[in-house]
Amino acid sequence: NAGVTQTPKFRILKIGQSMTLQCTQDMNHNYMYWYRQDPGMGLKLIYYSVGAGITDKGEVPNGYNVSRSTTEDFPLRLELAAPSQTSVYFCATTGTSRNEQFFGPGTRLTVL
Amino acid sequence: AQSVSQHNHHVILSEAASLELGCNYSYGGTVNLFWYVQYPGQHLQLLLKYFSGDPLVKGIKGFEAEFIKSKFSFNLRKPSVQWSDTAEYFCAVNKGFQKLVFGTGTRLLVSP
Repeated sequence: NAGVTQTPKFRILKIGQSMTLQCTQDMNHNYMYWYRQDPGMGLKLIYYSVGAGITDKGEVPNGYNVSRSTTEDFPLRLELAAPSQTSVYFCATTGTSRNEQFFGPGTRLTVL
Repeated sequence: AQSVSQHNHHVILSEAASLELGCNYSYGGTVNLFWYVQYPGQHLQLLLKYFSGDPLVKGIKGFEAEFIKSKFSFNLRKPSVQWSDTAEYFCAVNKGFQKLVFGTGTRLLVSP
């Protein structure tokens, strides 16, 4: 089992460009999450999903969109990249909200 | 808003020294508590978790944490640190089916 995979590992974007960060899990978990990690700020929740077809905003959703058409995939979309979106993005999954979250390896995004 | 506080942002220790990292949260009632570790260049991994029962929780790699309900605290401890414990440590809390809230993290540097 691969667990949680994320692509790409690194990306540099120009201001105004768009991109999709991919997240796939093979753990058959219902709950999936997107976080961003900034130095000294911990992890902030961007969006989450409690199952296929269901998504909801987290703490910092502005500038991002998500979809959840399957249990396995939870892509994060940046439509108009801004320098403030320079960050490391982590996808995570869990079987229930009480259990530990399993994290992907992260995507380091730089917007110039 | 609910919050999680980690007051030590940077900690430097020599090998074999004892470690205690503080974590306080602002939730009332029953909570689920977690400590995650992030080794340099890696994703977050679970160290230990507390849901109920014995307030002294043992995790992997010799770490333990004590839940003190009256102090809203969940401090992480290790009697003797090793160079390989150099990492960033995150406390996280959730309540029922709510989303995890992470502290801002503590960077631990263990010098050989």
